[in-house]
Amino acid sequence: EAGVAQSPRYKIIEKRQSVAFWCNPISGHATLYWYQQILGQGPKLLIQFQNNGVVDDSQLPKDRFSAERLKGVDSTLKIQPAKLEDSAVYLCASSLSPGTGTFYEQYFGPGTRLTVT
Amino acid sequence: QKEVEQNSGPLSVPEGAIASLNCTYSDRVSQSFFWYRQYSGKSPELIMSIYSNGDKEDGRFTAQLNKASQYVSLLIRDSQPSDSATYLCAVGKSSGDKLTFGTGTRLAVRP
Repeated sequence: EAGVAQSPRYKIIEKRQSVAFWCNPISGHATLYWYQQILGQGPKLLIQFQNNGVVDDSQLPKDRFSAERLKGVDSTLKIQPAKLEDSAVYLCASSLSPGTGTFYEQYFGPGTRLTVT
Repeated sequence: QKEVEQNSGPLSVPEGAIASLNCTYSDRVSQSFFWYRQYSGKSPELIMSIYSNGDKEDGRFTAQLNKASQYVSLLIRDSQPSDSATYLCAVGKSSGDKLTFGTGTRLAVRP
């Protein structure tokens, strides 16, 4: 079974430029998550989708970050304009749909390492 | 108080020893608990999940959960140099919920 796919793997941009990341979840996984991991810290959730609807975006800096999941499969995360503090690894994860009394595990893609100069 | 706390380490153990990694969490309604292994420059890899009090064993790994004490641990038996990595504790409130991660404990297994 193919895992979570992400691209690009690495990106270097200058501050104030824009950048976009792409994620394709594991086949059949309805829930998709974008996390930001800053060096030395654990991943922090930015946004969670259930199919193509947003479940939680409370920690997404909406003045500069946006995300979409059209058709409930692939997702794109965009940053515009980027700041120096956005330098981090952006991780996409997916899981099966939550069910009452049933727990599903999240699986991560390889991540995109963003450097903002 | 951090939501999920881990000792950052490094925890250094000799090859063949038992490594014990600990995690505490603050939200009493948490229901799902995970251990992820992260090698340097790689993404987190799920190694254990536990949802009810007690022990869960999988090969050389044992996860232990005590909801009353809000404590979850990971034991690695017969530690190998290949186990050297950062171990992330993650906690969720319900199925499909976002995970809150600790900062991770770095484990070094000495040959």
